[in-house]
Amino acid sequence: AQKVTQAQTEISVVEKEDVTLDCVYETRDTTYYLFWYKQPPSGELVFLIRRNSFDEQNEISGRYSWNFQKSTSSFNFTITASQVVDSAVYFCALRGQEETSGSRLTFGEGTQLTVNP
Amino acid sequence: DTGVSQDPRHKITKRGQNVTFRCDPISEHNRLYWYRQTLGQGPEFLTYFQNEAQLEKSRLLSDRFSAERPKGSFSTLEIQRTEQGDSAMYLCASSDKLVEFGEQFFGPGTRLTVL
Repeated sequence: AQKVTQAQTEISVVEKEDVTLDCVYETRDTTYYLFWYKQPPSGELVFLIRRNSFDEQNEISGRYSWNFQKSTSSFNFTITASQVVDSAVYFCALRGQEETSGSRLTFGEGTQLTVNP
Repeated sequence: DTGVSQDPRHKITKRGQNVTFRCDPISEHNRLYWYRQTLGQGPEFLTYFQNEAQLEKSRLLSDRFSAERPKGSFSTLEIQRTEQGDSAMYLCASSDKLVEFGEQFFGPGTRLTVL
């Protein structure tokens, strides 16, 4: 069975603060893929990033960065210098090996981020 | 590329009625997925198609639910004899099997309210 845990239900910060969203996952698959999606108030899930289990390089994209640590089964997401437009629900998701776990995404419960001006 | 589209965006129905939702995936995407999202929760997988074949179904997909993708393009999700517990956002996503990691791209969803 696969599981994704996002322990932070809600986070509230002031604009320009840095914020880290935590994600811990469980899987028995040796190959798997991790994703982050953003769901703004409009409701549509927006793909942000994908990470493969065999590539532990961290990644930075503008104000966004991701820290993948296989040893702790974590895939954390940091927003630097947060902006009001970053306010949304952020979901971490996991896809396992197709042969054993199919093609489905398993999502965490999400973290509601509110960035106040 | 116009993205994944879903119709209708909102549906209000009375308990016991049947409802049908439609999803049009990104063109050339051969995989299509249905998820359900209730308030305050992450999306939960329901089923997925590769072309016209339904390859996987979740235990969440009771016998009142049926999904089709007759020509491997758009898909429909029908709920028969709706119950109040069916109230949720129904999300459709698509991906390209030929892309190794297969990110799924989501549509705007259909919000169902069962009175």
